Amino acid sequence: GESVGLHLPTLSVQEGDNSIINCAYSNSASDYFIWYKQESGKGPQFIIDIRSNMDKRQGQRVTVLLNKTVKHLSLQIAATQPGDSAVYFCAEHEEWQFYFGTGTSLTVIP
Amino acid sequence: DSGVTQTPKHLITATGQRVTLRCSPRSGDLSVYWYQQSLDQGLQFLIQYYNGEERAKGNILERFSAQQFPDLHSELNLSSLELGDSALYFCASSPWGQMDTDTQYFGPGTRLTVL
Repeated sequence: GESVGLHLPTLSVQEGDNSIINCAYSNSASDYFIWYKQESGKGPQFIIDIRSNMDKRQGQRVTVLLNKTVKHLSLQIAATQPGDSAVYFCAEHEEWQFYFGTGTSLTVIP
Repeated sequence: DSGVTQTPKHLITATGQRVTLRCSPRSGDLSVYWYQQSLDQGLQFLIQYYNGEERAKGNILERFSAQQFPDLHSELNLSSLELGDSALYFCASSPWGQMDTDTQYFGPGTRLTVL
């Protein structure tokens, strides 16, 4: 199977600071990437996606950066809020398959 | 609330048994996906259906099967259950079943415990 990993299993940030969550992927043929947020007791929730022909995509308070050279994906959350506390994981799409990272637990300190 | 419903919320059963998990997609969505989330393996894609037909298959065991009915709801059948099958099972739906363009909406999951 493919390897989609996360650099840090946990991340604590102060409310109002920016958060950066990283993800490494192994398959250079992957063409589409997604970041999901999963709150305790809930299903994953789509945050933002990016196609492999892009380097950066911005949403509301979130930015995804894709570095294909080093097969690295990052999620930046601006002005992190307590409601952002959750597990975040990336997913890569390749040939009718999705491969998911194990997740990073983000804790926002008030 | 994503609009995707899953039943039951919790299921406790014994090894060797068979269970059926049910999923109703969002109104208008034609495609359903099943995922397994365990503590040691994270989230894994199992299988996808589109308008009643299997479209993609992931890491689904032979003991597991699924189907999508004419009313578009889906069932995941797990048989000969083992302790290692204990996990959260999520269903997701999307409008057109295009993995690389559709947004998938996840249900709340069914927690399966095999004793």
